[in-house]
Amino acid sequence: GEDVEQSLFLSVREGDSSVINCTYTDSSSTYLYWYKQEPGAGLQLLTYIFSNMDMKQDQRLTVLLNKKDKHLSLRIADTQTGDSAIYFCAENSNSGYALNFGKGTSLLVTP
Amino acid sequence: NAGVTQTPKFQVLKTGQSMTLQCAQDMNHEYMSWYRQDPGMGLRLIHYSVGAGITDQGEVPNGYNVSRSTTEDFPLRLLSAAPSQTSVYFCASSPGGVGQTYEQYFGPGTRLTVT
Repeated sequence: GEDVEQSLFLSVREGDSSVINCTYTDSSSTYLYWYKQEPGAGLQLLTYIFSNMDMKQDQRLTVLLNKKDKHLSLRIADTQTGDSAIYFCAENSNSGYALNFGKGTSLLVTP
Repeated sequence: NAGVTQTPKFQVLKTGQSMTLQCAQDMNHEYMSWYRQDPGMGLRLIHYSVGAGITDQGEVPNGYNVSRSTTEDFPLRLLSAAPSQTSVYFCASSPGGVGQTYEQYFGPGTRLTVT
């Protein structure tokens, strides 16, 4: 399928903001998603954004969408050690029945 | 609701053996999918189903079969296990339909090792 690209690693200090970036390729995607995976666990939906929105805020999470550049970002304010996990960007596929995932960004939060 | 459940959590197979990974959901979702997760590869779609009796292939279907006889269950069968099928397998479900957000709800995963 089409590639969703993410950087593989990010390290931040506790209390700082984290910004995880993603580029996607399918301009027809209706929704874009951020999932979180903690070690040994399944994927948990963090948030999603509708393709006609530029920004969505949900507590410490801010999602920015630039449709022209097909760029999606997730900002986590006041990052905590419990935020250490792998974060996946995803777009709904053409069929809508499944998602196309990036390879995931491993976020390490150090004290 | 239990959500999406998967069994077993862990499995070790020898090359050539067959087995079935079980997946069930109790949310009355129409769409169900199987993904595999390999290090550095993200999640890749194996097979999916848009309703009972309807299945289709995803990105990496070779070596796997599925069926969907009920809305709740979507088992994944490995026909003749190979070391390349060592992976973590995730089942997911989604409400589907007009006006839905297509978000997927994931099970906890099955960790499969083929020796």
